[in-house]
Parts: sequence; structure tokens; C-alpha cells
Amino acid sequence: DAGVTQSPTHLIKTRGQQVTLRCSPKSGHDTVSWYQQALGQGPQFIFQYYEEEERQRGNFPDRFSGHQFPNYSSELNVNALLLGDSALYLCASSYDGGWNEQFFGPGTRLTVL
Amino acid sequence: KQEVTQIPAALSVPEGENLVLNCSFTDSAIYNLQWFRQDPGKGLTSLLLIQSSQREQTSGRLNASLDKSSGRSTLYIAASQPGDSATYLCAVMLYNFGNEKLTFGTGTRLTIIP
Repeated sequence: DAGVTQSPTHLIKTRGQQVTLRCSPKSGHDTVSWYQQALGQGPQFIFQYYEEEERQRGNFPDRFSGHQFPNYSSELNVNALLLGDSALYLCASSYDGGWNEQFFGPGTRLTVL
Repeated sequence: KQEVTQIPAALSVPEGENLVLNCSFTDSAIYNLQWFRQDPGKGLTSLLLIQSSQREQTSGRLNASLDKSSGRSTLYIAASQPGDSATYLCAVMLYNFGNEKLTFGTGTRLTIIP
């Protein structure tokens, strides 16, 4: 079992650009949640996808959007990047919604210049 | 709004000592609580999951306890080793349908001194 995988590992963008991050959940999992972790802080919930729909959303602007595919993998898109979007983006997977134990991927480090 | 606090923010102890990390939360209506480990610049590794009906969970040298009524959890690490050096995060999930998300503390950075 490969566990939760994320790509790319690192990414450098400039302000105003758009970025797409990808996540493949752990085998058998159907729910994907995305979190943003700023340096020295705990992760903050962005949104969760279940059955290819956004199920719930944290306090993030509409510049943050996502998608879940039939194979349960997911993408996080961020438009009009700001310097403050620089962070570690973490994907977590679980099964049958978000109630069960969540397993995290290694994260994508996004730097906005 | 659920708030999770971890004190201290940083802790250094000599190798071999037993230690306790603390986590407190403001809303006791939780579904579960998870403890994670994070190495610098890396993702989160799940250590222990405690359901709201449980009082503690154990895995190897780790023991986590939960007291919902007081809004507290502790992570006990026995016979600490240099490899235990990392940031430890606790996270709670509220018992609230449609709100199945984890709320994290800011973590305790643990350094084990050889």
C-alpha cells in the first residue's frame, strides 16, 4: 500500500499565477480533505471531497477550488496567488466520509514570490 | 468555535526520560481526537486515534488519554529516544454532521538530548 501520495513535492510560483496540486488517497479510501499549514502553525482545513462533491469548506476564499475524480484522487487549484499562500499543502484521506481516522500525505511545499 | 491549545510550544528532555505532552480543547462535544507526529518539512504521521467513548489508547511506548469533560488529552512517551525528536500535533473532530474536519493545535516541538 503506497499510502497517500501528493505531487509535486515542491513548487515555486509568482504572484497572480495559478497552481494545481494533486493527491491520490490511500487504497480503499474515498474521502479526501485538503489542509494548509503555514510555517510554525497547525494545519488549517480548506475543504473536503466525498463522492466527487465538495462536502464542506473551511474559511478560505473562492480562489481555492478543487475536484475529485471517479478514482477518488483529487486536485486543489489556487488562482491569483498571493504571497500569503506560501505554505505546506497537505492532503488527507479516509473512508466513508471524514469521520474515520485520517491519513496524511507528505505534502506539497508552495512558495509564492 | 473549537480551539485547540498545546502547551508547552517546545520541550527538551534528556534521552531515556518519560514525558507528557498536553492538549486542551474548548468544545467537549468531540467525535474523536488524533495525535500526529511531524518531522521538519514533512507530512503528518498518525500516532494514535481515540474515539470519544474511549479513555486511552496505547501503541508501543506511546499512551494517549482523553478526558472529554475537562477538555484535555495527554500523550505520554516512555523511555524517550533521539528519534522521537519531532513536532507533535493533536487534532479534534467535532461530533457534528457535516463538520467532519480536524481542528489542530499549533504543536509541541520535542527535542530529545542524547
